[in-house]
Amino acid sequence: AQSVTQLDSHVSVSEGTPVLLRCNYSSSYSPSLFWYVQHPNKGLQLLLKYTSAATLVKGINGFEAEFKKSETSFHLTKPSAHMSDAAEYFCVVRLYNFNKFYFGSGTKLNVKP
Amino acid sequence: GAGVSQSPSNKVTEKGKDVELRCDPISGHTALYWYRQSLGQGLEFLIYFQGNSAPDKSGLPSDRFSAERTGGSVSTLTIQRTQQEDSAVYLCASSLAPSDTEAFFGQGTRLTVV
Repeated sequence: AQSVTQLDSHVSVSEGTPVLLRCNYSSSYSPSLFWYVQHPNKGLQLLLKYTSAATLVKGINGFEAEFKKSETSFHLTKPSAHMSDAAEYFCVVRLYNFNKFYFGSGTKLNVKP
Repeated sequence: GAGVSQSPSNKVTEKGKDVELRCDPISGHTALYWYRQSLGQGLEFLIYFQGNSAPDKSGLPSDRFSAERTGGSVSTLTIQRTQQEDSAVYLCASSLAPSDTEAFFGQGTRLTVV
């Protein structure tokens, strides 16, 4: 069985403070992992992906994620939040030799001035 | 085109009517996906195409929903006898076949059934 759990449905931070969006997955196979962002009334944009190379992955707009196999986690971080980061973020798993993308339920990030 | 293109971007239809949603994937992408995003809900998988065949249509919610893909390119999602609960944003995505590649999403079609 495979699933993706985003531990927080809403996260609120102040501008300039760090961001942490948590994601855990369960999979019997080696996964590829992705984070997507969706701004209001916009499409889904890829932030970053992990595909069994370096465990620390750097993405666009200063976001990073670290793959921790022992914890089955792929948390998304950013050192300093910007107002433009306010959006919904989705953690996504794609399994080796399978073609379906499994989406987490999403985390809405609010950034306060 | 450079990205995944979906049409129409918005569709308002009367309950009971049929609708067709179109997706034009990125050229060369063999895999194509349809997802549905309802208000307050996450992304719900509907169907996956590899080439023209659909090895996984497990997410289609009822037999009113069908999809086809022709020429390994354009896909059409058809909803017959629309119901109000069909109101949602329908997203199409395409990707290359290898499992370490990401999906590229279109802007979606917002369907409103009145």
